[in-house]
Amino acid sequence: GQQLNQSPQSMFIQEGEDVSMNCTSSSIFNTWLWYKQDPGEGPVLLIALYKAGELTSNGRLTAQFGITRKDSFLNISASIPSDVGIYFCAGQHIQGAQKLVFGQGTRLTINP
Amino acid sequence: NAGVTQTPKFRILKIGQSMTLQCAQDMNHNYMYWYRQDPGMGLKLIYYSVGAGITDKGEVPNGYNVSRSTTEDFPLRLELAAPSQTSVYFCASRRTLNTEAFFGQGTRLTVV
Repeated sequence: GQQLNQSPQSMFIQEGEDVSMNCTSSSIFNTWLWYKQDPGEGPVLLIALYKAGELTSNGRLTAQFGITRKDSFLNISASIPSDVGIYFCAGQHIQGAQKLVFGQGTRLTINP
Repeated sequence: NAGVTQTPKFRILKIGQSMTLQCAQDMNHNYMYWYRQDPGMGLKLIYYSVGAGITDKGEVPNGYNVSRSTTEDFPLRLELAAPSQTSVYFCASRRTLNTEAFFGQGTRLTVV
């Protein structure tokens, strides 16, 4: 199957610190999406990546589509309390692209 | 424009009962998805559809059925509920393969 490995599984940081998380795949993906999920809500898109090597920012968030097309990372700079939540990567394989598969999630906790 | 609407929000089922989780989108999206999210875990794809009349299995389809008679609706059916189906179910839709997926608010299902 199309396995996505997301790490770390959880992070405990101080407010103001930078955060980095990544996803890797055993096969080539043609799309990477990063989502955030707040408690009791559905995931909401943060950043979408459609080209290998693409580096995209959204405010304090930056994500990159790896050159090998098998990985992606998400960075959050100067974390604030509202960044708390679960972050998911999602991708679609170059074959069977109709399926959108998700990583296991990174749970971010911030100490004020 | 309501986006993706899921009903009900919460439900408790007894073992062996059946129910249908409803999902509707008003964005004229071709692709629709059903995911389940177990506590502390990522989203696993149950079924997906690439258009009216076309459905296919995801990673964890056993115990579920779907239909897609219209572009707007993508109901998920549980025929014989089992405790292992206790989860939060999310429906999502997107217009094309290279666009973001929008999620509903989720249905929290408990099977006792």
